[in-house]
Amino acid sequence: GAGVSQSPSNKVTEKGKDVELRCDPISGHTALYWYRQSLGQGLEFLIYFQGNSAPDKSGLPSDRFSAERTGGSVSTLTIQRTQQEDSAVYLCASSLHTEAFFGQGTRLTVV
Amino acid sequence: GENVEQHPSTLSVQEGDSAVIKCTYSDSASNYFPWYKQELGKRPQLIIDIRSNVGEKKDQRIAVTLNKTAKHFSLHITETQPEDSAVYFCAAGGFQKLVFGTGTRLLVSP
Repeated sequence: GAGVSQSPSNKVTEKGKDVELRCDPISGHTALYWYRQSLGQGLEFLIYFQGNSAPDKSGLPSDRFSAERTGGSVSTLTIQRTQQEDSAVYLCASSLHTEAFFGQGTRLTVV
Repeated sequence: GENVEQHPSTLSVQEGDSAVIKCTYSDSASNYFPWYKQELGKRPQLIIDIRSNVGEKKDQRIAVTLNKTAKHFSLHITETQPEDSAVYFCAAGGFQKLVFGTGTRLLVSP
């Protein structure tokens, strides 16, 4: 595709439910990042995938958060037993070596 | 690993003034330093970047300077306009993970 695509654009879920957020990176990009951005705040790093290397999960805030990247392409961020504090915009980015290209984000609201 | 610090967190200027945002990094292996602009409700987008073999780069009203010895780099915006109002993020990396600063909210008042 022309850019990084994320789905859904918006997600409203009830507290305690699990959610899956999807990221389709730019074809051929080996690096993929997930960030969380609360309203008016900065980019909170969650997880980084690079090729076939073990992912850098150092930013995941709790064991309720996990992510996979299948076949070095599409990635899914899963949040189990969602809490209200999980409400934020979740941004995905991909890169080849340098510039990171961001998706439009998924706005998650936990009610 | 890499650690990037960014200052100031907020910056208010009058239209036509200059704005400077500064970042420091910790990993001397970093060789790529991009700057991103995020307008309200939009995704961050690259506005300018610099590599470690260059000390300064300019693109119209924006410029970036890099001091590898001191491990700091700066974004300079001249003749600021209201449409420059946004959050700006610096980052450092290269072939390893790109690490972002905490962001600077720039407000340009007419």
